[in-house]
Parts: sequence; C-alpha cells; structure tokens
Amino acid sequence: DTEVTQTPKHLVMGMTNKKSLKCEQHMGHRAMYWYKQKAKKPPELMFVYSYEKLSINESVPSRFSPECPNSSLLNLHLHALQPEDSALYLCASSQDAGTPLHFGNGTRLTVT
Amino acid sequence: GDSVTQMEGPVTLSEEAFLTINCTYTATGYPSLFWYVQYPGEGLQLLLKATKADDKGSNKGFEATYRKETTSFHLEKGSVQVSDSAVYFCALTSMFSGGYNKLIFGAGTRLAVHP
Repeated sequence: DTEVTQTPKHLVMGMTNKKSLKCEQHMGHRAMYWYKQKAKKPPELMFVYSYEKLSINESVPSRFSPECPNSSLLNLHLHALQPEDSALYLCASSQDAGTPLHFGNGTRLTVT
Repeated sequence: GDSVTQMEGPVTLSEEAFLTINCTYTATGYPSLFWYVQYPGEGLQLLLKATKADDKGSNKGFEATYRKETTSFHLEKGSVQVSDSAVYFCALTSMFSGGYNKLIFGAGTRLAVHP
C-alpha cells in the first residue's frame, strides 16, 4: 500500500467544471509535488511545495491552481480545463528537498 | 541541461531470463540516481537508488551500479518473474537553485515477462 493517498482515483469533468484533486501523506515529509503523466510518457513536474510554501511552478497554466493547507495535505484545483489536460496526475512527497520521492497512485483525469 | 537516456522498449522476456535495461545520463555535478517502477494502473514506486560513484543499489533481486566513468546506471536482474512486468524509469536528481531537487526521468522501458 502506498503511503501517499490520492483522491479521487478517477475523475471525468467537462471543460466548464471546477474540481479538485486531493493528496495526503502522514510520513512527516516537508516537500510535496504534483506531476502530470501522459500515456506512455514519463511524469512531468508541475509544482513543488516546501514547508507549505510554493517553491517551484514549472510554467503551468493558471487553470491549474495548487494549494497546501497544511504539511500533510496538497490540493490541485482545476478550472476550465482542455481535453489535452487529460492525464494521470501524480502526487509525491519527500522528507526534504534532496531525498527520494514517494508517489501516490494518481488520479486519472478525463476532460470531455 | 541534465538528461537521462534509456533503452527503448518493449523488452519481452521469458520467465527466469536475465534482464538488463540500459540507462545513461548527462549531468553537471554529482546527481543521485534512481530506478522507479510503475505497475499497470499505479503510481511510481522507488525500486533502488545510489547517491555516489560506485554505489550499488539493490532491491527485490534488482541491482544497479553508479558508474561515473561511463555515466551509466544499468538495471539488472538475474531471473525475472511474470510479476516484474511493468514500466521501469531511470531518473536523476537535478538541483534547482535554492536546493530544491527535481527528478529528471528517462522515457521509460516497458518490460513484459511471459510464463
């Protein structure tokens, strides 16, 4: 069982919808990440939070809005997405900035 | 910039065969190197890691040695099982300014093991 929990596992949304992806870890990790993975491709980094502050935004469009309410939780708010945003969204955490990442099982998002 | 190159798949093997998946890297400084595995419908799991030259990472019968002279981190297993069928990603850490690390992934290699 993964120690990083993501909900929901699957999400279908229309282009005018607003939805949120959630991620939770209880390992005491201080860095949390959002990655996007298209089919048959490696994951691509979107955002990094360190000590609950946004540290890195990899030029992600504003229709993706991350939020870190506390050290255990990470959200990704979605609004006005495009069909090409359909992908597997992976959350990860690490003890600090230089240590291995632990991934959740992802949310498979389909935008119709 | 930093990059990782993996052998193209898919790799198809019979059970109990020997596995090698090649991985080479380009990096400034001294990155840490990783192998992650992704089983169907799941996220990525850390398989093994090495943090400095000549380190050997090992886990579940898989091994990889950090070779600085050849900038390689090839994954090997002596006898594969059907349950090893998955996609394997080689990765390195690349440091942002400010000390934050970023995982740079290779393209991934799909392994299919048949009984």
